[in-house]
Amino acid sequence: DAKTTQPPSMDCAEGRAANLPCNHSTISGNEYVYWYRQIHSQGPQYIIHGLKNNETNEMASLIITEDRKSSTLILPHATLRDTAVYYCIVRPLYNFNKFYFGSGTKLNVKP
Amino acid sequence: NAGVTQTPKFRVLKTGQSMTLLCAQDMNHEYMYWYRQDPGMGLRLIHYSVGEGTTAKGEVPDGYNVSRLKKQNFLLGLESAAPSQTSVYFCASGAGVGYEQYFGPGTRLTVT
Repeated sequence: DAKTTQPPSMDCAEGRAANLPCNHSTISGNEYVYWYRQIHSQGPQYIIHGLKNNETNEMASLIITEDRKSSTLILPHATLRDTAVYYCIVRPLYNFNKFYFGSGTKLNVKP
Repeated sequence: NAGVTQTPKFRVLKTGQSMTLLCAQDMNHEYMYWYRQDPGMGLRLIHYSVGEGTTAKGEVPDGYNVSRLKKQNFLLGLESAAPSQTSVYFCASGAGVGYEQYFGPGTRLTVT
């Protein structure tokens, strides 16, 4: 199963775009990329997911490279409330057990 | 909508005691899940359910039992608590395969 590699922490200035990278070089063709975040021990919150095309919703954009070995989550205008641990997860669509959250990236949004 | 709620929020048990964690969702979701989160281990799936009356084992099911008698509720039971079950437990629900999961606020359980 594909595992992910994320930097342990990143800083971002309030109002600027936050670009969070994720490496998933062993991803399989049927595996999706999901992003969740967890704010200070609260329950994880879904952000976005995709297979190979770039995706955008009201929260963020997901850019997946053409070879699908890495992706970037973009928060276009980070606010202080976006300070959280962001998890990049790779899993097959039909396998509930393969939902590894890993260690994630702690994003610190600073005023 | 309350979303996903969990009861209780905190609990301290002695080794060998039993308890039940309750998860409730008001989004009419078919799928429900129980996870545990431990430092450095991420989230691990304990049990899940794809509909009322059905349950299945996840990655770490030993020492836990579950029931889904009503669509909106998913119960996690510990029959004989052990210190290794000290963790934060999260419940989640989802509309189906491929849909996002909505998580509850968590239950912090300490077993002494």
